[in-house]
Amino acid sequence: KAGVTQTPRYLIKTRGQQVTLSCSPISGHRSVSWYQQTPGQGLQFLFEYFSETQRNKGNFPGRFSGRQFSNSRSEMNVSTLELGDSALYLCASSSQGGPVNTEAFFGQGTRLTVV
Amino acid sequence: EDKVVQSPLSLVVHEGDTVTLNCSYEVTNFRSLLWYKQEKKAPTFLFMLTSSGIEKKSGRLSSILDKKELFSILNITATQTGDSAIYLCAVYNTNAGKSTFGDGTTLTVKP
Repeated sequence: KAGVTQTPRYLIKTRGQQVTLSCSPISGHRSVSWYQQTPGQGLQFLFEYFSETQRNKGNFPGRFSGRQFSNSRSEMNVSTLELGDSALYLCASSSQGGPVNTEAFFGQGTRLTVV
Repeated sequence: EDKVVQSPLSLVVHEGDTVTLNCSYEVTNFRSLLWYKQEKKAPTFLFMLTSSGIEKKSGRLSSILDKKELFSILNITATQTGDSAIYLCAVYNTNAGKSTFGDGTTLTVKP
């Protein structure tokens, strides 16, 4: 069974640009969660999608958005990039997520550098 | 605001040593506590704990949860250099529908 796939693996953008990251969950998994990981802040929850609907959201500005497609693949978009957005962005898939708690499987992440 | 505090932040040991990593938490509507190992990028799942006092074990790793005192420990016996990683603890809040992670413990095992 293929694992969670994130693309691209690395990305360099300049301030003010926008970026789209992609996450393909494990086959059969319907929940995709996104996290931002920085040395100073640790792993911070961005949002969770389940069956194409955003189910939960963390404390990030509206520049961070996402969506999920019918095949459960998810994209995350960050607009008007700031230097502080430089981070490792991880997505995690689980079969149901939400209140039926199963362990989540993480992708390798996308390393975003904003210059 | 849910909170997870891990200690120590970093630890250096030699092969063969036993280590204990700590995770304390404050969370409303606690559902479970999870441990992950992060070597390079992708955290990999180790344990999920939901009940107090029941030890979960996988090879040289074991973990236990105390829901009264709101903490968990992760033990690694006979450490090996391959155990070097960041160990992350997360708690799941049922009502918020999200996991809150600690900052992690960076473990370095020297030969």
